[in-house]
Amino acid sequence: DAGVIQSPRHEVTEMGQEVTLRCKPISGHDYLFWYRQTMMRGLELLIYFNNNVPIDDSGMPEDRFSAKMPNASFSTLKIQPSEPRDSAVYFCASSTQDRGPMSPLHFGNGTRLTVT
Amino acid sequence: AQSVSQHNHHVILSEAASLELGCNYSYGGTVNLFWYVQYPGQHLQLLLKYFSGDPLVKGIKGFEAEFIKSKFSFNLRKPSVQWSDTAEYFCAVRSGRRALTFGSGTRLQVQP
Repeated sequence: DAGVIQSPRHEVTEMGQEVTLRCKPISGHDYLFWYRQTMMRGLELLIYFNNNVPIDDSGMPEDRFSAKMPNASFSTLKIQPSEPRDSAVYFCASSTQDRGPMSPLHFGNGTRLTVT
Repeated sequence: AQSVSQHNHHVILSEAASLELGCNYSYGGTVNLFWYVQYPGQHLQLLLKYFSGDPLVKGIKGFEAEFIKSKFSFNLRKPSVQWSDTAEYFCAVRSGRRALTFGSGTRLQVQP
Protein backbone atom coordinates (compact mmCIF):
# COMPACT_ATOMS: atom_id res chain seq x y z
CA ASP A 1 0.00 0.00 0.00
CA ALA A 2 1.78 3.12 -1.24
CA GLY A 3 -0.47 5.47 0.69
CA VAL A 4 -1.69 8.82 -0.53
CA ILE A 5 0.95 10.43 -2.73
CA GLN A 6 1.24 14.17 -3.06
CA SER A 7 3.55 16.23 -5.22
CA PRO A 8 5.49 18.35 -5.00
CA ARG A 9 6.60 18.15 -1.34
CA HIS A 10 7.65 21.79 -1.40
CA GLU A 11 6.71 24.61 -3.73
CA VAL A 12 8.09 28.11 -3.66
CA THR A 13 6.63 30.58 -6.10
CA GLU A 14 6.21 34.26 -6.64
CA MET A 15 2.98 36.11 -6.14
CA GLY A 16 0.81 36.01 -9.24
CA GLN A 17 2.09 32.68 -10.51
CA GLU A 18 -0.10 29.64 -11.05
CA VAL A 19 0.42 26.75 -8.65
CA THR A 20 -0.77 23.19 -9.21
CA LEU A 21 -0.75 20.63 -6.43
CA ARG A 22 -1.23 16.96 -7.23
CA CYS A 23 -2.62 14.01 -5.37
CA LYS A 24 -2.90 10.30 -6.01
CA PRO A 25 -5.31 8.64 -3.57
CA ILE A 26 -5.05 5.11 -2.31
CA SER A 27 -6.29 2.70 -4.93
CA GLY A 28 -9.91 1.74 -4.30
CA HIS A 29 -10.71 4.75 -2.16
CA ASP A 30 -13.75 6.59 -3.43
CA TYR A 31 -13.47 9.76 -1.31
CA LEU A 32 -10.77 12.38 -1.77
CA PHE A 33 -10.30 15.46 0.39
CA TRP A 34 -8.17 18.58 0.15
CA TYR A 35 -7.26 20.28 3.44
CA ARG A 36 -5.18 23.36 4.14
CA GLN A 37 -3.15 23.74 7.33
CA THR A 38 -1.97 27.08 8.67
CA MET A 39 -0.80 28.22 12.07
CA MET A 40 -3.65 30.68 12.36
CA ARG A 41 -6.58 28.53 11.28
CA GLY A 42 -5.41 24.96 11.79
CA LEU A 43 -6.80 22.36 9.39
CA GLU A 44 -9.51 23.56 7.03
CA LEU A 45 -11.44 21.44 4.58
CA LEU A 46 -11.30 23.00 1.14
CA ILE A 47 -13.20 20.51 -0.99
CA TYR A 48 -13.99 16.84 -1.21
CA PHE A 49 -14.95 14.44 -3.97
CA ASN A 50 -16.91 11.21 -4.01
CA ASN A 51 -16.43 8.99 -7.03
CA ASN A 52 -14.64 11.87 -8.78
CA VAL A 53 -17.57 14.24 -8.29
CA PRO A 54 -17.13 17.37 -6.13
CA ILE A 55 -19.53 17.10 -3.21
CA ASP A 56 -18.72 20.12 -1.06
CA ASP A 57 -16.50 22.98 -2.16
CA SER A 58 -17.76 25.48 0.39
CA GLY A 59 -14.33 25.62 1.98
CA MET A 60 -12.59 26.87 -1.15
CA PRO A 61 -11.49 30.37 -0.16
CA GLU A 62 -12.20 32.17 -3.42
CA ASP A 63 -12.34 31.85 -7.17
CA ARG A 64 -8.57 31.72 -7.40
CA PHE A 65 -8.80 28.17 -6.09
CA SER A 66 -10.04 25.29 -8.22
CA ALA A 67 -9.89 21.53 -7.86
CA LYS A 68 -10.45 18.73 -10.31
CA MET A 69 -10.58 14.97 -10.20
CA PRO A 70 -10.51 13.71 -13.79
CA ASN A 71 -10.31 10.07 -12.72
CA ALA A 72 -10.27 7.89 -9.63
CA SER A 73 -6.50 7.99 -9.28
CA PHE A 74 -5.67 11.65 -9.67
CA SER A 75 -6.69 15.06 -8.38
CA THR A 76 -5.30 18.56 -8.69
CA LEU A 77 -5.69 21.70 -6.64
CA LYS A 78 -4.85 24.83 -8.58
CA ILE A 79 -4.31 28.38 -7.36
CA GLN A 80 -4.28 31.09 -9.99
CA PRO A 81 -3.04 33.69 -9.30
CA SER A 82 -1.27 32.81 -6.08
CA GLU A 83 -0.91 35.27 -3.20
CA PRO A 84 1.36 35.29 -0.13
CA ARG A 85 -1.60 34.51 2.14
CA ASP A 86 -1.98 31.18 0.33
CA SER A 87 1.23 29.99 1.96
CA ALA A 88 0.34 26.86 3.92
CA VAL A 89 0.66 23.11 3.94
CA TYR A 90 -1.92 21.50 1.69
CA PHE A 91 -2.95 17.96 2.56
CA CYS A 92 -4.74 15.48 0.39
CA ALA A 93 -6.55 12.59 2.06
CA SER A 94 -8.58 9.66 0.84
CA SER A 95 -10.96 7.18 2.37
CA THR A 96 -13.37 4.46 1.46
CA GLN A 97 -16.85 3.96 2.76
CA ASP A 98 -16.68 0.17 2.74
CA ARG A 99 -16.88 0.26 6.51
CA GLY A 100 -19.48 2.95 6.56
CA PRO A 101 -18.96 6.52 7.71
CA MET A 102 -16.35 5.47 10.26
CA SER A 103 -13.70 4.82 7.67
CA PRO A 104 -10.70 6.89 8.70
CA LEU A 105 -8.89 9.31 6.46
CA HIS A 106 -5.48 8.44 5.09
CA PHE A 107 -3.38 11.56 4.63
CA GLY A 108 -0.59 12.29 2.23
CA ASN A 109 2.62 13.95 3.38
CA GLY A 110 1.39 17.35 2.31
CA THR A 111 2.72 20.04 0.01
CA ARG A 112 4.33 23.01 1.72
CA LEU A 113 3.54 26.05 -0.40
CA THR A 114 5.39 29.32 0.03
CA VAL A 115 4.28 32.30 -2.01
CA THR A 116 6.69 35.24 -1.90
CA ALA B 1 -23.11 23.01 10.98
CA GLN B 2 -20.65 20.90 12.87
CA SER B 3 -17.70 22.51 14.63
CA VAL B 4 -14.91 21.42 16.93
CA SER B 5 -13.16 23.37 19.67
CA GLN B 6 -9.80 22.56 21.18
CA HIS B 7 -9.18 25.03 23.95
CA ASN B 8 -5.58 24.09 24.72
CA HIS B 9 -3.40 25.47 21.97
CA HIS B 10 -0.02 24.64 23.49
CA VAL B 11 0.67 22.24 26.33
CA ILE B 12 4.06 21.66 27.90
CA LEU B 13 4.56 18.64 30.16
CA SER B 14 7.41 16.78 31.73
CA GLU B 15 7.91 13.10 30.98
CA ALA B 16 5.70 10.81 33.07
CA ALA B 17 3.13 13.53 33.62
CA SER B 18 -0.50 12.76 32.86
CA LEU B 19 -2.14 14.29 29.82
CA GLU B 20 -5.66 15.42 29.08
CA LEU B 21 -6.47 17.41 25.95
CA GLY B 22 -9.92 18.92 25.69
CA CYS B 23 -12.21 18.58 22.69
CA ASN B 24 -15.77 19.85 22.42
CA TYR B 25 -18.02 19.65 19.40
CA SER B 26 -21.25 21.29 18.46
CA TYR B 27 -23.72 19.04 16.74
CA GLY B 28 -26.84 17.58 18.23
CA GLY B 29 -27.17 14.42 16.20
CA THR B 30 -25.15 11.25 15.89
CA VAL B 31 -21.47 11.93 15.47
CA ASN B 32 -18.30 10.01 14.79
CA LEU B 33 -15.29 11.31 16.70
CA PHE B 34 -11.60 11.02 15.97
CA TRP B 35 -8.24 12.05 17.28
CA TYR B 36 -5.39 12.45 14.80
CA VAL B 37 -1.73 13.03 15.62
CA GLN B 38 0.89 14.80 13.56
CA TYR B 39 4.49 14.16 14.61
CA PRO B 40 7.07 16.77 13.62
CA GLY B 41 7.65 16.66 9.89
CA GLN B 42 5.13 13.89 9.32
CA HIS B 43 1.61 13.61 8.03
CA LEU B 44 -1.54 13.17 10.05
CA GLN B 45 -2.21 9.72 11.46
CA LEU B 46 -5.28 8.29 13.13
CA LEU B 47 -4.83 7.87 16.88
CA LEU B 48 -8.27 6.57 17.82
CA LYS B 49 -11.92 6.82 16.88
CA TYR B 50 -15.36 6.47 18.39
CA PHE B 51 -18.54 5.49 16.60
CA SER B 52 -20.72 3.64 19.11
CA GLY B 53 -20.64 1.38 22.14
CA ASP B 54 -18.23 1.80 25.02
CA PRO B 55 -17.65 5.55 25.40
CA LEU B 56 -14.09 4.90 26.59
CA VAL B 57 -12.00 4.28 23.50
CA LYS B 58 -8.50 2.85 23.54
CA GLY B 59 -6.07 3.95 20.88
CA ILE B 60 -2.48 3.35 19.92
CA LYS B 61 0.53 4.18 22.09
CA GLY B 62 -1.43 4.14 25.34
CA PHE B 63 -3.85 6.91 24.42
CA GLU B 64 -7.52 6.79 25.25
CA ALA B 65 -10.48 9.12 24.87
CA GLU B 66 -13.83 9.32 26.58
CA PHE B 67 -17.01 10.33 24.81
CA ILE B 68 -19.35 12.22 27.14
CA LYS B 69 -22.48 12.90 25.15
CA SER B 70 -24.05 15.21 27.73
CA LYS B 71 -21.01 17.45 27.60
CA PHE B 72 -20.43 17.16 23.84
CA SER B 73 -16.86 16.25 24.70
CA PHE B 74 -14.25 13.74 23.54
CA ASN B 75 -11.15 14.42 25.62
CA LEU B 76 -7.89 12.66 24.92
CA ARG B 77 -5.91 11.19 27.82
CA LYS B 78 -2.68 9.40 28.54
CA PRO B 79 -1.59 8.46 32.08
CA SER B 80 2.13 9.00 31.50
CA VAL B 81 3.53 10.88 28.51
CA GLN B 82 6.88 10.27 26.86
CA TRP B 83 9.19 12.59 25.00
CA SER B 84 8.17 10.80 21.78
CA ASP B 85 4.60 11.99 22.28
CA THR B 86 5.69 15.49 21.29
CA ALA B 87 3.37 16.28 18.40
CA GLU B 88 0.29 18.18 17.37
CA TYR B 89 -3.03 16.57 18.19
CA PHE B 90 -6.23 17.21 16.28
CA CYS B 91 -9.73 16.34 17.32
CA ALA B 92 -12.22 15.80 14.48
CA VAL B 93 -15.93 15.18 14.13
CA ARG B 94 -18.08 13.82 11.37
CA SER B 95 -21.85 13.73 11.24
CA GLY B 96 -23.87 11.93 8.63
CA ARG B 97 -22.00 11.84 5.36
CA ARG B 98 -20.25 15.16 5.89
CA ALA B 99 -16.51 15.39 5.65
CA LEU B 100 -14.42 15.56 8.77
CA THR B 101 -14.24 18.88 10.57
CA PHE B 102 -11.03 19.37 12.51
CA GLY B 103 -10.28 21.39 15.59
CA SER B 104 -7.48 23.93 15.51
CA GLY B 105 -5.05 21.49 17.07
CA THR B 106 -3.10 21.29 20.32
CA ARG B 107 0.65 21.36 20.23
CA LEU B 108 2.07 19.06 22.91
CA GLN B 109 5.66 19.50 23.98
CA VAL B 110 7.06 16.88 26.35
CA GLN B 111 10.26 17.82 28.09
CA PRO B 112 12.69 15.04 29.05
